[in-house]
Amino acid sequence: AQKITQTQPGMFVQEKEAVTLDCTYDTSDPSYGLFWYKQPSSGEMIFLIYQGSYDQQNATEGRYSLNFQKARKSANLVISASQLGDSAMYFCAMRDVSGGYNKLIFGAGTRLAVHP
Amino acid sequence: EADIYQTPRYLVIGTGKKITLECSQTMGHDKMYWYQQDPGMELHLIHYSYGVNSTEKGDLSSESTVSRIRTEHFPLTLESARPSHTSQYLCASRGGQGIPYGYTFGSGTRLTVV
Repeated sequence: AQKITQTQPGMFVQEKEAVTLDCTYDTSDPSYGLFWYKQPSSGEMIFLIYQGSYDQQNATEGRYSLNFQKARKSANLVISASQLGDSAMYFCAMRDVSGGYNKLIFGAGTRLAVHP
Repeated sequence: EADIYQTPRYLVIGTGKKITLECSQTMGHDKMYWYQQDPGMELHLIHYSYGVNSTEKGDLSSESTVSRIRTEHFPLTLESARPSHTSQYLCASRGGQGIPYGYTFGSGTRLTVV
């Protein structure tokens, strides 16, 4: 079965520094997609970045980059130059097509606190 | 601006009441989903729909039911709310092919059953 593991329940970082949030995944499907979402205290899920399993390069979106290590089955999110507004829950997710339908499965999340 | 809307944003209701959580999207997406999320925890899929009159249960067993009479509308109903139903409920929709597969989430409904 496909699974997402986020081993850091909480992280903190000083403003303007970089932080890495860990994500490992397990799948037997050769074609898959990995997502990172940000969830502020208000509750909505904000899409940050996507990495396809066949993508040759690591995905980047502004201050967000994804450190994709396919052999190790890891897809860590790197946030550069942290801002106070980055304080939120961060979820790693994977597209799952088992059971005949397409859905996202999520990890347990990492709560990031950015300190001034 | 949001293209998928959930109402109410917050709901506190007594045990035994019937409730309906609304979800509407303006993007014409065929696929819609309901996820349940306990505070600070991961999201679990409870219902999904691939189009009008198509609904299926997700991975997490739920006492709620859903309907899909119109493409844009995917309401979730609890016939008799219980404290164990206290959670956040997130609605999502997905468009056609393409990166990142078009998943869009609503702002969620935080339900408290007292």
